[in-house]
Amino acid sequence: NFLLTQPHSVSESPGKTVTISCTRSNGTIGSNFVQWYQQRPGSSPILLIFEDNRRPSGVPDRFSGSIDSSSNSASLTISGLKTEDESDYYCQSYETSSQHLIFGGGTKLTVL
Amino acid sequence: EVQLVESGGGLVQPGGSLRLACAASGFTFSTYAMSWVRQAPGKGLEWVSAIGNTNGATFYADAVKGRFTISRDNSKNTVSLQMNSLGAEDTAVYYCAKDISGWFAVGADSWGQGALVVVSS
Repeated sequence: NFLLTQPHSVSESPGKTVTISCTRSNGTIGSNFVQWYQQRPGSSPILLIFEDNRRPSGVPDRFSGSIDSSSNSASLTISGLKTEDESDYYCQSYETSSQHLIFGGGTKLTVL
Repeated sequence: EVQLVESGGGLVQPGGSLRLACAASGFTFSTYAMSWVRQAPGKGLEWVSAIGNTNGATFYADAVKGRFTISRDNSKNTVSLQMNSLGAEDTAVYYCAKDISGWFAVGADSWGQGALVVVSS
């Protein structure tokens, strides 16, 4: 299986923009779709982005996803940060050969 | 409104078995793949298993293959996870999740509240 590596933590001020990266260890990031989830403390995960850059209905357009083949990574960008965005964020993708879902280790976002 | 309600969690001794169930409502259950994802205390999300919509194809993480069995009953809108030969490493909150399509690899857009499984003597 490949690994999805995320920074352990990031922090930024309210109103600013933050980007969380998710780097695939081997294989091509564009080979399979990447999803992003938000998990607030004590709560179930929420799907923010699917198929690399699509937002489910109800997810604010402050959240956006992208793929960068040059760095073999995906990114979640959150603009206009709010204190309520303080959460753990996980990327996820699929490995075709093993038919496994792979989660990144998660990134803790602090908004202060 | 989509609702997923897990049941069956609890305390079990090492080597024991437990069966989790997830009751689904608010959507056409048979259309969507369903997944189980777990989270050990203080740790990240870990995919456990998935089952396709109508053909019932099943998929397992290496850590649980041969010990866990996922199944679904489209007539009762339920998905289950039979867990055997449990070890301390299986202690986690287990989430039932509805996938966004009939294929499980493109995201889960609804999650249950989770069922806590504790494996301890």
